[in-house]
Amino acid sequence: AQSVAQPEDQVNVAEGNPLTVKCTYSVSGNPYLFWYVQYPNRGLQFLLKYITGDNLVKGSYGFEAEFNKSQTSFHLKKPSALVSDSALYFCAVTGVGAGNNRKLIWGLGTSLAVNP
Amino acid sequence: KAGVTQTPRYLIKTRGQQVTLSCSPISGHRSVSWYQQTPGQGLQFLFEYFSETQRNKGNFPGRFSGRQFSNSRSEMNVSTLELGDSALYLCASSIASGSISYNEQFFGPGTRLTVL
Repeated sequence: AQSVAQPEDQVNVAEGNPLTVKCTYSVSGNPYLFWYVQYPNRGLQFLLKYITGDNLVKGSYGFEAEFNKSQTSFHLKKPSALVSDSALYFCAVTGVGAGNNRKLIWGLGTSLAVNP
Repeated sequence: KAGVTQTPRYLIKTRGQQVTLSCSPISGHRSVSWYQQTPGQGLQFLFEYFSETQRNKGNFPGRFSGRQFSNSRSEMNVSTLELGDSALYLCASSIASGSISYNEQFFGPGTRLTVL
């Protein structure tokens, strides 16, 4: 079955330290991969996506993600965390299918807490 | 440019009632999708509309329905509400004509539905 896993419900990091939010997936073929962020009481915001090409994708707010096909992972990273990065992060992956029948599969989210 | 707006922001209903939620996409966006967000299930895709046509549908019972108008505004309706329908309902729009699964989505703040 197709699935997306965010193995950590919560990640804690000190401000200024690098952060990693993990995402692994089980989808055949060559999916599109996305990261979204949800700040408290707000809708989700797009951070970045991977389609093809360079395995390191740069996105908004200084975030980047590394695609690893052999490990079927798409981990979100930032070199230096800010307190304002504290939010809920979602990974999403396109499932199998053709054209407009392809659905997005979402992870359950990882809560990131950056401590001052 | 105004973002995606959703009304109402909060709603309290009782079991058996029906509810209609409204979503106004970003001007120029013709694709609108709806999601249900709960702590245990994460984001669950409900349906996607493009140019007044339902283009994709998630695995929800027929009590959940939607429609899109010629101005791209969308509504979703839930009939015969159940306690388990309590959730945050998110609407997202996209400027791309292709499936939302491939493209950046812009999310509204959501409607918090509580069923008593």
